[in-house]
This record gives sequence, structure tokens and C-alpha cells, in this order.
Amino acid sequence: AQKITQTQPGMFVQEKEAVTLDCTYDTSDQSYGLFWYKQPSSGEMIFLIYQGSYDEQNATEGRYSLNFQKARKSANLVISASQLGDSAMYFCAMREDRDDKIIFGKGTRLHILP
Amino acid sequence: NAGVTQTPKFRILKIGQSMTLQCTQDMNHNYMYWYRQDPGMGLKLIYYSVGAGITDKGEVPNGYNVSRSTTEDFPLRLELAAPSQTSVYFCASITNQGYEQYFGPGTRLTVT
Repeated sequence: AQKITQTQPGMFVQEKEAVTLDCTYDTSDQSYGLFWYKQPSSGEMIFLIYQGSYDEQNATEGRYSLNFQKARKSANLVISASQLGDSAMYFCAMREDRDDKIIFGKGTRLHILP
Repeated sequence: NAGVTQTPKFRILKIGQSMTLQCTQDMNHNYMYWYRQDPGMGLKLIYYSVGAGITDKGEVPNGYNVSRSTTEDFPLRLELAAPSQTSVYFCASITNQGYEQYFGPGTRLTVT
């Protein structure tokens, strides 16, 4: 069964510093995808970045990058030059192509300090 | 495109009542999902569908039912509401090779 683990319930980071949010996953499938979402206090789910299991390069989207280490089954989100608006909950999710379930981790609450 | 829409936005139910949460998407996505999010927690998958006429259980299906008669609609039914079903419910959709799951705004349900 697929499983997503986010071990950091909360993090405090100084503005303008880089942030790494951890995500490890467990799957027996060879074909899968990994997602990161941001949920601000307003509650909506905002898509940030996606990495396919067969993608050779780490995904990047603006200030967001995904540090994908397939052998270690980790997919950490890196936010460069953090901003006050980055304060939110961040969720890692995985989709196994075998059955198309998309399962989420418990999330990490990120606080950016001025 | 309106994306994924959910109705109602808020609802208060008494224990034992029933209701249907509506979800519609206009992006012609085959794959649709229902999640619940308890306060301060992550999203738990309730049910999902890979196309019209096909549904499957997720992580927490007990107490819920779904149907998928059209590509656009994926309603979630609560038959006998219980306080444990107090939560925010999100509907989402994605294409079969998609990399972005589109979410609705959520329905905040309270069962008292």
C-alpha cells in the first residue's frame, strides 16, 4: 500500500532563507507521480510542483524545486528565498499509476518570520 | 472554465440526517476524487473514480457512498450523519496523464 510521510509537523524559518520540506514515500510501483500542494489559512489547495518517477531531472517551478531521490524514496520540496506569503500548510502527495489513487501526507505547517 | 465546483459551501446536519455533497468539473477530466480534511490534519481519500460508471474506495470510505453517472459529476452521499463526519470535504479532478490535481473550494460540514 502506498504511503506518504512528512516528518516535520511545523517549521519556523527566517524570511529570505531557503526552506526544505521533507517527504518520503513508500510504493512497490515503478510508475508513479509526486505532488506538492500549498494550503494557506484561507483553505484552498494550490498546486505547486509535480515530479514523475521516470523524470530524469528534478522538477522546478519558479522558487519551488523538488529534490527527487528515487533510491531513497524521498521527494523534498525546496523553497528558495522564502517570503512571508509562503506561510501555510504544505502537503506532499503521491499517485500510483497502477490504481490512480492519490494519497496525501499529514502536512507541514511552515511559518516565515519577518 | 469554472474548474471544479462544489455545493454547498457550508452545511449543518443533525445526527442521523442524510445529504449529498455535489461536485462538478467542466474540464472533461476522467479522474475525480473526494477527500475529507479534519482540523489541522491532512487530506484523507474517501472515494475516487477513474471514469463514468467506475468508482472505488479510498482510505476512509465507511459512512459514504458515491456515484459517477457522467464525466462531469461526482456526488458524495452521507446516509446517516455522525459527529465523526464533521470535516471539510474537497472534491478534485485530474486527467489520466495529468500532473495537476484541480481542487474545488471545499464544503464545510458540521454534524451536531
